[in-house]
Amino acid sequence: GESVGLHLPTLSVQEGDNSIINCAYSNSASDYFIWYKQESGKGPQFIIDIRSNMDKRQGQRVTVLLNKTVKHLSLQIAATQPGDSAVYFCADLPGPGTALIFGKGTTLSVSS
Amino acid sequence: NAGVMQNPRHLVRRRGQEARLRCSPMKGHSHVYWYRQLPEEGLKFMVYLQKENIIDESGMPKERFSAEFPKEGPSILRIQQVVRGDSAAYFCASSLGTGNSPLHFGNGTRLTVT
Repeated sequence: GESVGLHLPTLSVQEGDNSIINCAYSNSASDYFIWYKQESGKGPQFIIDIRSNMDKRQGQRVTVLLNKTVKHLSLQIAATQPGDSAVYFCADLPGPGTALIFGKGTTLSVSS
Repeated sequence: NAGVMQNPRHLVRRRGQEARLRCSPMKGHSHVYWYRQLPEEGLKFMVYLQKENIIDESGMPKERFSAEFPKEGPSILRIQQVVRGDSAAYFCASSLGTGNSPLHFGNGTRLTVT
């Protein structure tokens, strides 16, 4: 079956550092990818998305990189802040009319 | 513009009772998705609905679980004869459903079965 997974379950960084969270996906037919942030007691919050016809997309302090050759997705957070502490999930869409498939998540801890 | 609204936020049921979880999608969204999350784990897809239709229920157990999204009113996830293993957070999401559009999530219903 298809799966979307993350390389590391936890990541600890200092405030001001750049963070990189990685994700590997297995379905080569997936053409849409999203990063979500989930804080304790809340639902996942949309951060940024990217379509398979792109390899990079930038938002405010965040960048998503997509490498279709190795089926790898990453989220870069610049100047990480304590408020960025949360669990980060990548998700992919296997095809039209399907639902997002989520990986297990990476817990980002930011210390001051 | 209100986001996805789920209620109740917390639900406690004894084994054998029924649980009803409600979800009102974002205004203008006609596609609804239900996911389940166990502690320290990711979200597992359960069911995908469009108004009055089930599009994909491949992630939902065949017994005791059902979902609907009527023409009027919220989407309902119903769990009959709950067991302790049903204890989890249940999240609803909605989308425009046109092309590749992101899912917007509610804050979930935390079901505890005692």
